[in-house]
Amino acid sequence: DGGITQSPKYLFRKEGQNVTLSCEQNLNHDAMYWYRQDPGQGLRLIYYSQIVNDFQKGDIAEGYSVSREKKESFPLTVTSAQKNPTAFYLCATHGWQGEGEQFFGPGTRLTVL
Amino acid sequence: AQSVTQLGSHVSVSEGALVLLRCNYSSSVPPYLFWYVQYPNQGLQLLLKYTTGATLVKGINGFEAEFKKSETSFHLTKPSAHMSDAAEYFCAVSPSGTSGSRLTFGEGTQLTVNP
Repeated sequence: DGGITQSPKYLFRKEGQNVTLSCEQNLNHDAMYWYRQDPGQGLRLIYYSQIVNDFQKGDIAEGYSVSREKKESFPLTVTSAQKNPTAFYLCATHGWQGEGEQFFGPGTRLTVL
Repeated sequence: AQSVTQLGSHVSVSEGALVLLRCNYSSSVPPYLFWYVQYPNQGLQLLLKYTTGATLVKGINGFEAEFKKSETSFHLTKPSAHMSDAAEYFCAVSPSGTSGSRLTFGEGTQLTVNP
C-alpha cells in the first residue's frame, strides 16, 4: 500500500524537551517537505529536501532540525529552542515525474504541556 | 516571488447551492496552480491542478476551477454543495517548468454546508 506515514498521530511534550516526528514514504519520491499548520495561517514551510543527504531551510526553520539519510525517511526534530511548538505538522513528498503537486501524510498534532 | 490570496476565510452555503471559493495569485512566471482539501485532523488531498492546456480543469468530488490569466485567478466551484464538502480548502501556486519547486499556499477557506 503506497503512501506517506507520519507517527505518532498525537504527541505531547513538556517544555524544554526535544521531540522527533517521523515521516516515511514508499512512493519513491525524491523531494520531501515539512510544514507547520496553525489556525488561520495556512501552511508554512519548515524544511525541505530534494535529495538524500541534502536539505534546505524553509520560511520558519528556527528551532527545528532535520536529516535525510535515506530516501524514504525525513524526520523532523522540534528542539527546545522553538518558542511556540504547539501545532499540526504535515509531511509531504513530490516526485520529479509529476507536475508540481505534493502528496501529504496524515499529520502529527504536537501539544506542549 | 509568488503569493496566493484566498478571499474569505469562511464561506457558508446551503446544501444544494453553488460553491465558489476564490483564489488570486501573483507570479513572475507562468504558474502551476492547485486546489487541496483538508478534513479535520487529516492531511491535504489534491482536488485538481492546472499546468498547461485547457483553462477549465475538473477534479474529484464534482469540483472544477478555471484559470484566468487576465484576472490572475483560479476560483474553485461546485454546482451543488453536499454536506460532505464541509472542509478547509487551500489554493497553492508553483512556478511552471520547475516541477521540483516548492509550493506557496493561501491561508485557506473554511467551507460550511448548512442543511
